Amino acid sequence: DIQMTQSPASLSASVGETVTITCRASENIYSYLAWYQQKQGKSPQLLVYNAKTLAEGVPSRFSGSGSGTQFSLKINSLQPEDFGSYYCQHHYGTPYTFGGGTKLEIK
Amino acid sequence: DVKLVESGGGLVKPGGSLKLSCAASGFTFSSYTMSWVRQTPEKRLEWVATISSGGSYTYYPDSVKGRFTISRDNAKNTLYLQMSSLKSEDTAMYYCTRDGLGRGGYFDYWGQGTTLTVSS
Repeated sequence: DIQMTQSPASLSASVGETVTITCRASENIYSYLAWYQQKQGKSPQLLVYNAKTLAEGVPSRFSGSGSGTQFSLKINSLQPEDFGSYYCQHHYGTPYTFGGGTKLEIK
Repeated sequence: DVKLVESGGGLVKPGGSLKLSCAASGFTFSSYTMSWVRQTPEKRLEWVATISSGGSYTYYPDSVKGRFTISRDNAKNTLYLQMSSLKSEDTAMYYCTRDGLGRGGYFDYWGQGTTLTVSS
């Protein structure tokens, strides 16, 4: 199975800051990488798929990049509603696997 | 609006069985591949099962293969997950998800989840 490793596991930032979360795949997954946001007590929501395609309704301050084994999610000008947990997931083929998550907290 | 509503979760003893359901609305259910994804108490997300739009093809990770069965009734717009030989490590929140179009494999809509607890 492809292992997905996210870093950092947790991150503190202030409103208005720019943050980057990284995700590494244990083997080449081309651009088949998705990112999800999960707020406390809610279901995950798709942010990005195919490494850089924003899902419908996702603000443009979110951007995804990378290919192969190294990927990142960048959030420009953090807003209060952006705090929560973020997960990467490869969709190269089954079994799909997720990263361990990054918890983004308010500083 | 796309809506996925899970039901059927509960407390089950190890070795027991349970069937989850997911009622879908707001989209053409029969046109989409559907999946189940679970989240453990430690907040780890795990893909559990996928079924093609017509129901002919199913996919599972090794951790549930032979114990879980995904199925669908396109006439009723409903997705199912039959779980048997349950183990404590199956304890999780189970989400019904819709696969994205194209190559898919990513999950563009999620239900609110239903909780399974496996404990004696």
